[in-house]
Amino acid sequence: SQQGEEDPQALSIQEGENATMNCSYKTSINNLQWYRQNSGRGLVHLILIRSNEREKHSGRLRVTLDTSKKSSSLLITASRAADTASYFCATEAGNTPLVFGKGTRLSVIA
Amino acid sequence: SAVISQKPSRDICQRGTSLTIQCQVDSQVTMMFWYRQQPGQSLTLIATANQGSEATYESGFVIDKFPISRPNLTFSTLTVSNMSPEDSSIYLCSVLWGGNTEAFFGQGTRLTVV
Repeated sequence: SQQGEEDPQALSIQEGENATMNCSYKTSINNLQWYRQNSGRGLVHLILIRSNEREKHSGRLRVTLDTSKKSSSLLITASRAADTASYFCATEAGNTPLVFGKGTRLSVIA
Repeated sequence: SAVISQKPSRDICQRGTSLTIQCQVDSQVTMMFWYRQQPGQSLTLIATANQGSEATYESGFVIDKFPISRPNLTFSTLTVSNMSPEDSSIYLCSVLWGGNTEAFFGQGTRLTVV
């Protein structure tokens, strides 16, 4: 069953701007992960944040996690046209398969 | 990391027929999963493919419709049986590897049923 709810469902920005996507979930988790999907292909893992972490960086990506609010955000700074994709959060709750959110479709216009 | 080869990458099938999708991993993995992604939607877990035993299906998915095999730790198949247009989706295999919780995905199979 789906746990995450991402917003916005779709986001269109100009190249160079920052993109922020949010994810909310319902149950306790061990970690939360963000994935990227290009044009309905396989998903690629971007970043993982553990339940005891509040913020994590990887290149132009910044992820925050607020377990009290059961929410996370993904920030992509200085976006590029190549960042155009769908982004999904996924939660892991211990020895169970990942549960994916509904995703945000990001369009970066050159 | 694990490299996953999934095939076919796409197919157009007649209703009432069946399609078997293969997923080959370049290393032994403990957990393999099959997901469905309907057009414009997120991923829904179909089942966990268990090596040497019957797959564990999620609510709403049954073995008769989606039989799964997993003969060893590197290979699994998903069959979509007696297809209808509602089965048109992307089907993805996924693995957890090396004790990580980061999932690796095949490139997906885009199925269109006409």
